[in-house]
Amino acid sequence: EPEVTQTPSHQVTQMGQEVILRCVPISNHLYFYWYRQILGQKVEFLVSFYNNEISEKSEIFDDQFSVERPDGSNFTLKIRSTKLEDSAMYFCASSEGRFTDTQYFGPGTRLTVL
Amino acid sequence: QQQVKQSPQSLIVQKGGIPIINCAYENTAFDYFPWYQQFPGKGPALLIAIRPDVSEKKEGRFTISFNKSAKQFSLHIMDSQPGDSATYFCAASKGGLRDYKLSFGAGTTVTVRA
Repeated sequence: EPEVTQTPSHQVTQMGQEVILRCVPISNHLYFYWYRQILGQKVEFLVSFYNNEISEKSEIFDDQFSVERPDGSNFTLKIRSTKLEDSAMYFCASSEGRFTDTQYFGPGTRLTVL
Repeated sequence: QQQVKQSPQSLIVQKGGIPIINCAYENTAFDYFPWYQQFPGKGPALLIAIRPDVSEKKEGRFTISFNKSAKQFSLHIMDSQPGDSATYFCAASKGGLRDYKLSFGAGTTVTVRA
């Protein structure tokens, strides 16, 4: 069964450093998402991406965040200058098409900012 | 603004019991209501979903009840098993032209005791 994969599973970084979280969505999917989950809290939407551009972003997704689809398979989330409060689990998700609602989530990357 | 409210925060049942998780939403534009199951260290996995044109949907031991006028929906787990012990999130999204951002509830940790 196809699945969304994410690397690394755990990333530890120093405050102020840049991190790139990587995702490989399911191959025929066209819509891509990043969500985050601070420990013990709910899953929060960050950004959606379609046709090589951002469709929607939340207020969390400020200028420190960016997304990119550098090739036909990868989808990345970059945090330019990490803060302590960026520590969270980051989930990538993808969905097949315009009228297909099911979003499939990856296993997540745990980001720890020290 | 908390768009989807979920309760209870946690619940414990005996094997064979029926845990019930409730969610309420505010935005009447929501038209897709999925439930996700999450095990520790894993990403959310779609369990079952419903649209407002039906009042109930069953898939195996999982049932969603939907009350459009009250803007509420709930998940029932019939004949619960220890393997059902997980965190359950309700979510909602509104159909748009391009994407389906999910708004999640706060989550319910269900423990099924053998």
